[in-house]
Amino acid sequence: SQTIHQWPATLVQPVGSPLSLECTVEGTSNPNLYWYRQAAGRGLQLLFYSVGIGQISSEVPQNLSASRPQDRQFILSSKKLLLSDSGFYLCAWSTGYEQYFGPGTRLTVT
Amino acid sequence: DQQVKQNSPSLSVQEGRISILNCDYTNSMFDYFLWYKKYPAEGPTFLISISSIKDKNEDGRFTVFLNKSAKHLSLHIVPSQPGDSAVYFCAASPQTGANNLFFGTGTRLTVIP
Repeated sequence: SQTIHQWPATLVQPVGSPLSLECTVEGTSNPNLYWYRQAAGRGLQLLFYSVGIGQISSEVPQNLSASRPQDRQFILSSKKLLLSDSGFYLCAWSTGYEQYFGPGTRLTVT
Repeated sequence: DQQVKQNSPSLSVQEGRISILNCDYTNSMFDYFLWYKKYPAEGPTFLISISSIKDKNEDGRFTVFLNKSAKHLSLHIVPSQPGDSAVYFCAASPQTGANNLFFGTGTRLTVIP
């Protein structure tokens, strides 16, 4: 069966510090991978998606970036965090229409 | 521009009764629709979906109805149980290679025992 892992579960970072969130998927090959953010009281906003290794599409302009160094690994990064980057970050995978989400990372920028 | 809208931020229902969650969309290119359930501090869990070629899909206590002409879908939960209390998101996808999902803002369902 397929599983998706995200870490860390929670993170508190000061403004201006770098960020690296990692997501890995097991039990499937060549999945589409996605990064979402849920801000407080808001819906899910798609940040990045990837249809293959090294292929990244950005949905919104921001100071975040994403990379896919391996088929089942997706990384969300920032060189300098802003206060507005606080939120709940979710990674998801799919091989069809349905997307399956990881447990999420709660990021608080102070 | 919010292409998928859930206009009711919250809904309270008595245990055993029917819960009806509604969702509207604006993009006529959407051809697949999904409902997700989310508990606090967890990722959303896929619940049920429907293709635009159908108007109803049923899975146990959960039924999704699609009205393409009205660009409206709804999720019915019968009978509602306290464990159904969560935030429910509807999502829609156009037929593209990446199958990106556009999410609504969610409806918080509370089932009262």
